[in-house]
Amino acid sequence: EVQLVQSGAEVKKPGESLKISCQGSGYSFTGYWIAWVRQMPEKGLEWMGVIYPGDSDIRYSPSFQGQVTISADKSTNTAYLQWSSLKASDTAMYYCAKRGVNSRYTVDYWGQGTLVTVSS
Amino acid sequence: QSALTQPHSVSGSPGQSVTISCTGTSSDVGNYNYVSWYQQHPDKAPKLMIYDVSKRPSGVPDRFSGSKSGNTASLTISGLQAEDEADYYCCSYTGSSYVFGTGTKVTVL
Repeated sequence: EVQLVQSGAEVKKPGESLKISCQGSGYSFTGYWIAWVRQMPEKGLEWMGVIYPGDSDIRYSPSFQGQVTISADKSTNTAYLQWSSLKASDTAMYYCAKRGVNSRYTVDYWGQGTLVTVSS
Repeated sequence: QSALTQPHSVSGSPGQSVTISCTGTSSDVGNYNYVSWYQQHPDKAPKLMIYDVSKRPSGVPDRFSGSKSGNTASLTISGLQAEDEADYYCCSYTGSSYVFGTGTKVTVL
């Protein structure tokens, strides 16, 4: 069974750093890119970027370039999303999702989401 | 990259059909047959309903169908059921990334 299990909710202060994770299982982790998607409170989905775990090639959406860092560890089948200095506007639910099996241009499985709250 | 445009909400009675539009540009929806649709229930992760404009993943009811004309993609739900009440998002490949639609709330009356 394919699963993407994300790390738990976080409460941080502005200026703090944070790294959240997404561990894949039940499929070839290096064979499918992982995407990160943001959903701010009561708002829509936003594509942040993707990582190809096989070679760690990363493609950021222009809106998120320089704002976050995406990485992956093949040895633990885990993808990461990190911030060096959080802002209140980073408060959101963050989802990871894997590339589809039947199409290279979709995502078919999603993690359960990680809620990040940034507040002083 | 601007979000694709969807109607804020659509509604229908059980058994009726509803169609959600997703309007982009010639740089995304109009240029690639790589539009997906996702269903999201409150406090749940999104679920893939349609990919590559009109293909249905295994397990998705055939009441859900997708199409595209020019810069606009559409999702049709036929035979609307109570469990179809949710938010729906389209998503298009842009050549270098992906862009989501603004989202549509489907209400079953």
